[in-house]
Amino acid sequence: DGGITQSPKYLFRKEGQNVTLSCEQNLNHDAMYWYRQDPGQGLRLIYYSQIVNDFQKGDIAEGYSVSREKKESFPLTVTSAQKNPTAFYLCASSLRWTGVSSPLHFGNGTRLTVT
Amino acid sequence: SQQGEEDPQALSIQEGENATMNCSYKTSINNLQWYRQNSGRGLVHLILIRSNEREKHSGRLRVTLDTSKKSSSLLITASRAADTASYFCATDAGTGNQFYFGTGTSLTVIP
Repeated sequence: DGGITQSPKYLFRKEGQNVTLSCEQNLNHDAMYWYRQDPGQGLRLIYYSQIVNDFQKGDIAEGYSVSREKKESFPLTVTSAQKNPTAFYLCASSLRWTGVSSPLHFGNGTRLTVT
Repeated sequence: SQQGEEDPQALSIQEGENATMNCSYKTSINNLQWYRQNSGRGLVHLILIRSNEREKHSGRLRVTLDTSKKSSSLLITASRAADTASYFCATDAGTGNQFYFGTGTSLTVIP
């Protein structure tokens, strides 16, 4: 079955440590996205990538980094510079925009807790 | 940022009733999408409506779009307990390749 896999589902880290969240898709989508969701709030865009080896900052990129070396993979690193890293992180993918938008397909998220 | 707002924030109805949620946004768009999220899970796409469309149907879902008022509504007819979830609207702010989500409406359908 095609889809997006995020791992792990739950992640615990000590303050000051960097942590990398995994996102893999087998939908053959060019575009991939990372969102952050805080309790009772909407999704905020961290980074997005329209094609391999290219990515753009979203609204809240500070304290995060990404790479896009393969079409299938878009890992997110939460660095120690991120002041409030505890959140639910969602990865998504879509067809590349060519003048017509397409729906986002989401993974089931990683809940990161930093203490 | 181009973040939409859903209204109401929470809605509780009896099974079989209709549920209506509204979304307002700030700038011009190419399209607007509605998503559903079950607790602790990812979002699932429900329906996409383009800026030149006024109404769209999919099963028990009906979406309207009024670009002059920068607003959209999602109607779920004959609701079921399984419809209990949070519902989000998302717009592309005219860019086509970035999507901005509202704060969501939490729907509870009581059996």
